[in-house]
Amino acid sequence: AQKVTQAQTEISVVEKEDVTLDCVYETRDTTYYLFWYKQPPSGELVFLIRRNSFDEQNEISGRYSWNFQKSTSSFNFTITASQVVDSAVYFCALSEPRNTGGFKTIFGAGTRLFVKA
Amino acid sequence: EAEVAQSPRYKITEKSQAVAFWCDPISGHATLYWYRQILGQGPELLVQFQDESVVDDSQLPKDRFSAERLKGVDSTLKIQPAELGDSAMYLCASSPLPRAKGATDTQYFGPGTRLTVL
Repeated sequence: AQKVTQAQTEISVVEKEDVTLDCVYETRDTTYYLFWYKQPPSGELVFLIRRNSFDEQNEISGRYSWNFQKSTSSFNFTITASQVVDSAVYFCALSEPRNTGGFKTIFGAGTRLFVKA
Repeated sequence: EAEVAQSPRYKITEKSQAVAFWCDPISGHATLYWYRQILGQGPELLVQFQDESVVDDSQLPKDRFSAERLKGVDSTLKIQPAELGDSAMYLCASSPLPRAKGATDTQYFGPGTRLTVL
């Protein structure tokens, strides 16, 4: 069964600190995709990254980096030198293929990040 | 930059009334999703369309919720009658048609409709 766990409900850091948001997933499929989305106070979910199950290479995009480890079923997200504008709720999501075609996506409960000036 | 459009952004209604939400996906996106997000939780899928066909509506409370995408473009989600527990953010997302077996597509979200039922 699909499951995404974001154990950290809220994290509070001071600006310029590094912060890691954890994501652990469960799936029985060998083909799946993992996503991270950012939801600022305005409410719209903003796509950050997509990773497929066959590509464990870590990725860096500016201050953002992602660590995908299939051995521990984790897809963690690190923000380096955090800024106040990073304050938001961050969601991890898992997408699995449907038997009938297409994919089904489930989201974790989210981690609320507060970055204080 | 192409965006998913939703209206209204906010809706306040009394219980037992009918409400409707509209979504216009990114042009050319064949897959459309409606999610419900209760405060403090992640989005939960209500219904997924591929063109005008429903792919998954297993979590849609069909006694009061309905969704349609008649021409395979924009979509309407309706609640009748609304209940207090329906207060939530309703998010619409779209993704391009998968081009090959095994492909998936990133979902792009609209700004959402925040519903308050009094």
